[in-house]
Amino acid sequence: DTGVSQDPRHKITKRGQNVTFRCDPISEHNRLYWYRQTLGQGPEFLTYFQNEAQLEKSRLLSDRFSAERPKGSFSTLEIQRTEQGDSAMYLCASSLNRGTGELFFGEGSRLTVL
Amino acid sequence: GDSVTQMEGPVTLSEEAFLTINCTYTATGYPSLFWYVQYPGEGLQLLLKATKADDKGSNKGFEATYRKETTSFHLEKGSVQVSDSAVYFCALRGIWAGSYQLTFGKGTKLSVIP
Repeated sequence: DTGVSQDPRHKITKRGQNVTFRCDPISEHNRLYWYRQTLGQGPEFLTYFQNEAQLEKSRLLSDRFSAERPKGSFSTLEIQRTEQGDSAMYLCASSLNRGTGELFFGEGSRLTVL
Repeated sequence: GDSVTQMEGPVTLSEEAFLTINCTYTATGYPSLFWYVQYPGEGLQLLLKATKADDKGSNKGFEATYRKETTSFHLEKGSVQVSDSAVYFCALRGIWAGSYQLTFGKGTKLSVIP
């Protein structure tokens, strides 16, 4: 399968712990996005990379959140000192740097903070 | 800021019924408009798109027309099938150069019964 893959698919953690999610985009895609989706809501934009450069960050991305894409391939999203309000599905998407700009989404990583 | 409002669900239809899911938007200028679909257990995937006023996007029997005068992008299908059961998201991409951020609606869950 050559789609966007995310790991882990589900993470349960206690409040105050740190968690990290990984996203592997489609190999030829140089744009990578992170979104967050809570129950009953549509995805909300968090951040966007073009290659290794982080070019956009939403105000939803508090100081406890950090995202990296060190070599312009896979990306990680880390949440420090998790809070119950961080419980959500974290979606990764990738796209080409041209054409329609269609986003290809992974299946998401579900975070549950107890 | 940009926003998308879509018809609240859930929507339950019998097979072969006509489907309309309403979507209206608020944005500056002429955004690009999208419908994404999420089948059970899968990631979001692009269903159709339109990039300028009066464009009609179509795919898999679904259609939506970009109406600038009513700021709408309603999704329609003439005859739904059980396999169309999914959550449908309307989304827009703003006009700002270099931004591929999508703004999503809350989603409409469609269930088609035999």
